[in-house]
Amino acid sequence: EAQVTQNPRYLITVTGKKLTVTCSQNMNHEYMSWYRQDPGLGLRQIYYSMNVEVTDKGDVPEGYKVSRKEKRNFPLILESPSPNQTSLYFCASSSEGLAGSNEQFFGPGTRLTVL
Amino acid sequence: AQKITQTQPGMFVQEKEAVTLDCTYDTSDQSYGLFWYKQPSSGEMIFLIYQGSYDEQNATEGRYSLNFQKARKSANLVISASQLGDSAMYFCAMRERWAYSGGGADGLTFGKGTHLIIQP
Repeated sequence: EAQVTQNPRYLITVTGKKLTVTCSQNMNHEYMSWYRQDPGLGLRQIYYSMNVEVTDKGDVPEGYKVSRKEKRNFPLILESPSPNQTSLYFCASSSEGLAGSNEQFFGPGTRLTVL
Repeated sequence: AQKITQTQPGMFVQEKEAVTLDCTYDTSDQSYGLFWYKQPSSGEMIFLIYQGSYDEQNATEGRYSLNFQKARKSANLVISASQLGDSAMYFCAMRERWAYSGGGADGLTFGKGTHLIIQP
């Protein structure tokens, strides 16, 4: 089954404790992206990757890091989480290029709480 | 200025009625794509429908259709014969082509969403 998986699905942590949210897709997609969703703000892009070893900032990259060492994986790293990073996080992937629908397949989401 | 505007924070609709969810967008690009996603209370993002800026026909997918008015920069979602299971948050989103030529971040820009509640 074609899918994007994220782990963990739920996480409660404390300020300053480094964490990683994993994302993996099995569709051989070149493009992967991270979004955060906050009430009343919709989804905002954090980082994206056009292919292996190619990453770039989205609209709200501060406080986050990413890496793309393999095509299927795109982990999101919070080196020193703060309470304002409490949010619902989505990983997404799609095939490269804008031709056609380029539907972005979303993972199930990770609900993060930073105390 | 917001790139995607959804003016209806919430809507109550009677079951079996048709629903129109509004979306207006702002772009100076000629090539772009418009998407609608559904987010039920369980939280996942479900792709509903896509419209390309050069598509001459309005997109349709089952009970979903997209009323695309390019000159007005609007891309309203129409749900025919609404069902109780349609109750959810609905997001309009846009992907612009200029991002590919180094103009900026590449990804979807989302509106703030419309909370649709279908009443029996």
